[in-house]
Amino acid sequence: KQEVTQIPAALSVPEGENLVLNCSFTDSAIYNLQWFRQDPGKGLTSLLLIQSSQREQTSGRLNASLDKSSGRSTLYIAASQPGDSATYLCAVFLGGYNKLIFGAGTRLAVHP
Amino acid sequence: DGGITQSPKYLFRKEGQNVTLSCEQNLNHDAMYWYRQDPGQGLRLIYYSQIVNDFQKGDIAEGYSVSREKKESFPLTVTSAQKNPTAFYLCASSISGTGNNYGYTFGSGTRLTVV
Repeated sequence: KQEVTQIPAALSVPEGENLVLNCSFTDSAIYNLQWFRQDPGKGLTSLLLIQSSQREQTSGRLNASLDKSSGRSTLYIAASQPGDSATYLCAVFLGGYNKLIFGAGTRLAVHP
Repeated sequence: DGGITQSPKYLFRKEGQNVTLSCEQNLNHDAMYWYRQDPGQGLRLIYYSQIVNDFQKGDIAEGYSVSREKKESFPLTVTSAQKNPTAFYLCASSISGTGNNYGYTFGSGTRLTVV
C-alpha cells in the first residue's frame, strides 16, 4: 500500500531564509508527483508537477526534485516571504489505480 | 476563466438529513474526484469518475453517493448513513482519468458541519 509522508509537520522560519520541505513515498512505481499549496480554509493550488522521468521542476522561487528510486521528493523555497505561509502538500499519482495519494502536509509559517 | 466551482462554501446538516454538495467544472476535463479532508490528515478519496455515466468508489465511500450525468457536473450526496460527516470536502478534476496524470485542479471546498 502506497504511503506518503511529509516531514516536518510544521516549520517556522524568519523571512528571507531558504528552506526545504520533504516528501517520501513507499512505492517507487509512481507516474508523477505533484506539490500543492493550501491556504487556511481554501482549496488546493497546484505548484509543480514532476513526471516520473524528470528529476526536477522549477517555477519562480520554487524548485521541486524527484528521486523515484529512493522514494523522495523535496520542495525548495528560496528567499522565503510571509506570503509563503501556508500548508504544502505533496501527492503521488498511481497510474494503474488512477489515484492521487496525499501526504498530511507541512504547515509553514514565515515571520517578518 | 476556466476552473472548478464548489457550492455552497459552508453547509450545515441536521442529524438524519441528506445533503448534496455541488461541483461544476468548465475545463472540459474527463475525470472528476471528491476528497475529504480532516484536520491533521491528508486528503482521502471518496469517489471518482473517469467519464460521464461512470464512477468508482474510493477509499472511504461508505455513507456517500455521487452521479455523473453531465461532463461538467459531479455532485456528492452525504447521506444519513455517514456517521461522522463534519469535514472539509474538496472536488477536483483532471484531463484524463486513465493512464498518466497531467495534474489535478481543485475547487475551493465546502465545509460541512453537523448541528
